[in-house]
Amino acid sequence: SAVISQKPSRDICQRGTSLTIQCQVDSQVTMMFWYRQQPGQSLTLIATANQGSEATYESGFVIDKFPISRPNLTFSTLTVSNMSPEDSSIYLCSVDRNEQFFGPGTRLTVL
Amino acid sequence: AQSVTQLDSQVPVFEEAPVELRCNYSSSVSVYLFWYVQYPNQGLQLLLKYLSGSTLVKGINGFEAEFNKSQTSFHLRKPSVHISDTAEYFCAVADTGRRALTFGSGTRLQVQP
Repeated sequence: SAVISQKPSRDICQRGTSLTIQCQVDSQVTMMFWYRQQPGQSLTLIATANQGSEATYESGFVIDKFPISRPNLTFSTLTVSNMSPEDSSIYLCSVDRNEQFFGPGTRLTVL
Repeated sequence: AQSVTQLDSQVPVFEEAPVELRCNYSSSVSVYLFWYVQYPNQGLQLLLKYLSGSTLVKGINGFEAEFNKSQTSFHLRKPSVHISDTAEYFCAVADTGRRALTFGSGTRLQVQP
């Protein structure tokens, strides 16, 4: 199993600003993932973050908008840049350890 | 690339009745299959997974699913539901190499007394 924490748990932000979300895992993992869950919808993969390499982004997501850092095997950050109300979502990180374990999510509201 | 189709967006059912939530997938490579549950205002919890072996998989809370390769399906079943099973259920697939999950659109199970 894996214990994953995310900070902040929720935030309300003004449009045009940026928010950095932190994801901490209780033990080392190679693969970490960031997902977005827009209101009332399913989860969509934003990017895969492996330590020591650039994150790999899915179609429709770009590094300038969602820069990701992966400085070590237990930590990652996702920044939501130049936010607009359309970025209001729950952002979740997950790790793969024969199955994916998810963090509790960060609920972001952009006004 | 993979895709997942959950045919039913909402499934209303009476308490103690059986339920089946349908999931079909498409993929050009071998996949792992998962069902997750999301209770209101809570995170995702893994119900069960198929990696290999027996095609009938048993999970938590009395749920089970059967992998049917020829029909590319992974339907979730429970013989008798409880009010507490009311939640959103997501089917997901991951290719065996890349491991990132592709989710279906979700099925809202509403158990009525």
